Amino acid sequence: DTEVTQTPKHLVMGMTNKKSLKCEQHMGHRAMYWYKQKAKKPPELMFVYSYEKLSINESVPSRFSPECPNSSLLNLHLHALQPEDSALYLCASSQVSEETQYFGPGTRLLVL
Amino acid sequence: QKEVEQNSGPLSVPEGAIASLNCTYSDRGSQSFFWYRQYSGKSPELIMFIYSNGDKEDGRFTAQLNKASQYVSLLIRDSQPSDSATYLCAVGLNFGNEKLTFGTGTRLTIIP
Repeated sequence: DTEVTQTPKHLVMGMTNKKSLKCEQHMGHRAMYWYKQKAKKPPELMFVYSYEKLSINESVPSRFSPECPNSSLLNLHLHALQPEDSALYLCASSQVSEETQYFGPGTRLLVL
Repeated sequence: QKEVEQNSGPLSVPEGAIASLNCTYSDRGSQSFFWYRQYSGKSPELIMFIYSNGDKEDGRFTAQLNKASQYVSLLIRDSQPSDSATYLCAVGLNFGNEKLTFGTGTRLTIIP
């Protein structure tokens, strides 16, 4: 099973809202990732968690707050976003000893 | 700075022909190489990965790696209309949960 799930599939939020994106995997992977992808651009790494600890933060603005409550779950908390934050947000997971990353279906976010 | 370059296309190939997608990378320390397929509006889907020089075949797909020349390619035999997508090349250092560097992708169109 190489499935990573993400909810919600679509999200529309205002600039004053607080919302969360959720990612789940049951492959036993201990590395999980958040990416942001704008149209016609490659995925852009935001955060990496390894063994539930934040290992990479690619200088992401604090309005994005990641959380890894356990080895299967990854959240991305959103607050006071800007319209330019509208994008496809992708979660991925991998074994810590490997770099083969499996992506979830993504959450398409629109900030009004 | 690590860079991965791909011809953005579009690359048009007749149905049944061989599609050849190329990728070059700048970091000689790169050890792991991935090809992802991404349909419009969907998330990247892992097609192939390759670590060693030479060819690796999986069904209609063949990945080729030449570390001396710093390029990796993907051949798609017997191209089908369903192969029409953007193909992303990604390169990593194979240290585990390291970030992948993605190319900008090549848009492939298979002409019936």
